[in-house]
Amino acid sequence: DIQMTQSPFSLSASVGDRVTITCRARQGISDYLAWYQRKPGEVPTLLIYAASTLQSGVPSRFSGSGSGTHFTLTISSLQPEDAATYYCQKYNSAPLTFGGGTKVEIK
Amino acid sequence: EVQLLESGGGLVQPGGSLRLSCAASGFTFTRYDMSWVRQAPGKRLEWVSAISGSDSGDSTYYADSVKGRFIISRDNSMSTLFLQMNSLRAEDTAVYYCAKGFSYTLGLLLPFDYWGQGTLVTVSS
Repeated sequence: DIQMTQSPFSLSASVGDRVTITCRARQGISDYLAWYQRKPGEVPTLLIYAASTLQSGVPSRFSGSGSGTHFTLTISSLQPEDAATYYCQKYNSAPLTFGGGTKVEIK
Repeated sequence: EVQLLESGGGLVQPGGSLRLSCAASGFTFTRYDMSWVRQAPGKRLEWVSAISGSDSGDSTYYADSVKGRFIISRDNSMSTLFLQMNSLRAEDTAVYYCAKGFSYTLGLLLPFDYWGQGTLVTVSS
């Protein structure tokens, strides 16, 4: 099974900052990579699929890039409501493995 | 409005069985892949199992950790997803979520655009 590794484990940034989260796959998964946001007490929300396609309704400050084994999620200008844990997920084939999550805090 | 409502969780002894249900509404249930995802305390999200939409023949998929012990199924007439869990172990303790694939035209095993609120399964003696 392909493991998904996210970094950093957590980060703290100020409102307006540019934030980048990395997700690495142990083997190539083309662009079969999704990103989710999970706020405390809530279920995950799909942000991005196909590595870079924004899900309907997601603010344009979120963007994704990458292919193969290296992927990034970028928040171009961090907002207070972006405080959450972010997860990547591969879906090229079963199992649909999640990364360990990156907790984003607002300074 | 899409709604997913899980039920069936509870306390069960090691080696026991439990059947989870997920009642779906607000979309054409039969068309979409559906999955179960769990999260144990302090652990990452873990995909457990998926079943394809009926146009793809209700194919089933399992994580290695549950293969041979869990069975996923769906009743399209009732818009309900099931997870039969047998030979339960302490490490199966988690909140179990059902989740809906976000498209029925872009392939199988897609990411999830809707999640239920989860049902807690505790395996303990």
